[in-house]
Amino acid sequence: GAVVSQHPSWVICKSGTSVKIECRSLDFQATTMFWYRQFPKQSLMLMATSNEGSKATYEQGVEKDKFLINHASLTLSTLTVTSAHPEDSSFYICSAPGTPYEQYFGPGTRLTVT
Amino acid sequence: QKEVEQDPGPLSVPEGAIVSLNCTYSNSAFQYFMWYRQYSRKGPELLMYTYSSGNKEDGRFTAQVDKSSKYISLFIRDSQPSDSATYLCAMRLMDSSYKLIFGSGTRLLVRP
Repeated sequence: GAVVSQHPSWVICKSGTSVKIECRSLDFQATTMFWYRQFPKQSLMLMATSNEGSKATYEQGVEKDKFLINHASLTLSTLTVTSAHPEDSSFYICSAPGTPYEQYFGPGTRLTVT
Repeated sequence: QKEVEQDPGPLSVPEGAIVSLNCTYSNSAFQYFMWYRQYSRKGPELLMYTYSSGNKEDGRFTAQVDKSSKYISLFIRDSQPSDSATYLCAMRLMDSSYKLIFGSGTRLLVRP
């Protein structure tokens, strides 16, 4: 099946700094990618839809100035958490749709803000 | 009320047991129904999918959708310790957005 990678798998940053997470489709092109956040023992919450060559669409309640999304090519979308705070510590997962019934998920990035 | 409700568990069963996992939903327009398995700190992987109503079987796994009751189920036969994971139901509309709505996930532990 199609492969989606994320980098880094785990990042620790200090409060107030920014961190960038990359999501790549390795063997297919993705005009759309999704970014999710998952807190411990909770489900995946969709944060935004990333569209190649256009602005991302954010879900209600997600601060677009804090979570910057760039989908500059058909294989790469990036999520930048700006001015990170401890409450932003979470597991961030990206995905790309394949068939109508399947999304290919990345392995996730664990963000810890100290 | 959440669009998709799922019992978070944890559900603990002995090896070899039949496991039943369930979700209810409120939006009757959902057309695609999926079950994902997620191991700790990993991305979800697709287990089963069903379009509209009906049953689907794949090895030890059976997915059922009852649209009249807005209820979906995943059955695991002859459960194995390797099945221990969190199981997430997900569903979507038949539109071009591809957006998935997830249940909260059920943690399953299969004891040897």
